[in-house]
Amino acid sequence: DTGVSQDPRHKITKRGQNVTFRCDPISEHNRLYWYRQTLGQGPEFLTYFQNEAQLEKSRLLSDRFSAERPKGSFSTLEIQRTEQGDSAMYLCASSPGGDRVYGNTIYFGEGSWLTVV
Amino acid sequence: AQSVTQLDSHVSVSEGTPVLLRCNYSSSYSPSLFWYVQHPNKGLQLLLKYTSAATLVKGINGFEAEFKKSETSFHLTKPSAHMSDAAEYFCVVSDHAAGNKLTFGGGTRVLVKP
Repeated sequence: DTGVSQDPRHKITKRGQNVTFRCDPISEHNRLYWYRQTLGQGPEFLTYFQNEAQLEKSRLLSDRFSAERPKGSFSTLEIQRTEQGDSAMYLCASSPGGDRVYGNTIYFGEGSWLTVV
Repeated sequence: AQSVTQLDSHVSVSEGTPVLLRCNYSSSYSPSLFWYVQHPNKGLQLLLKYTSAATLVKGINGFEAEFKKSETSFHLTKPSAHMSDAAEYFCVVSDHAAGNKLTFGGGTRVLVKP
């Protein structure tokens, strides 16, 4: 499978615990994105990387959230001291980057469901 | 700033009849526009995209969309709905000036009746 891979697919955690999600983008895609989707809503942008550099973070990404892409390949999204409001699906996506026509198509993974109880 | 408005939150059609999902966008730049589909508990699958080439864009599974700059619209159509088309559909605009960050519409849930 050469698509975007996310792990774990489902996570149930107690409030206050830390959780980490991993994303493996499509090979050689230099842009990687994280989105969050709550029930009945469209995905909302959280952050994106160009190679290993984190170029933009949404205001939705509070201090409890941190994302890394240390070698410009896979990425992790960590949520510290989880709250019930963090319950959502966390979507990772990647794109080749580059020009407008070929580089800007973004491919999504299956998502990681987080339930905070 | 960019934004997307999907004019219908729910659309119900009978199998074999046409489907129309309406989308209007606002963008400061010459936009790239996309339609994605999401089946229950699944990720997002790209149906089609517009990137300033032909204004009528053909996608997968018989879907197509027409970019109309004068109306700032990008409506999605399919001539004949299939039961497998039941899903949530998102119209999306891309900000090419900001790393191709996507802005999603609120989604349209499609119900297909037998």
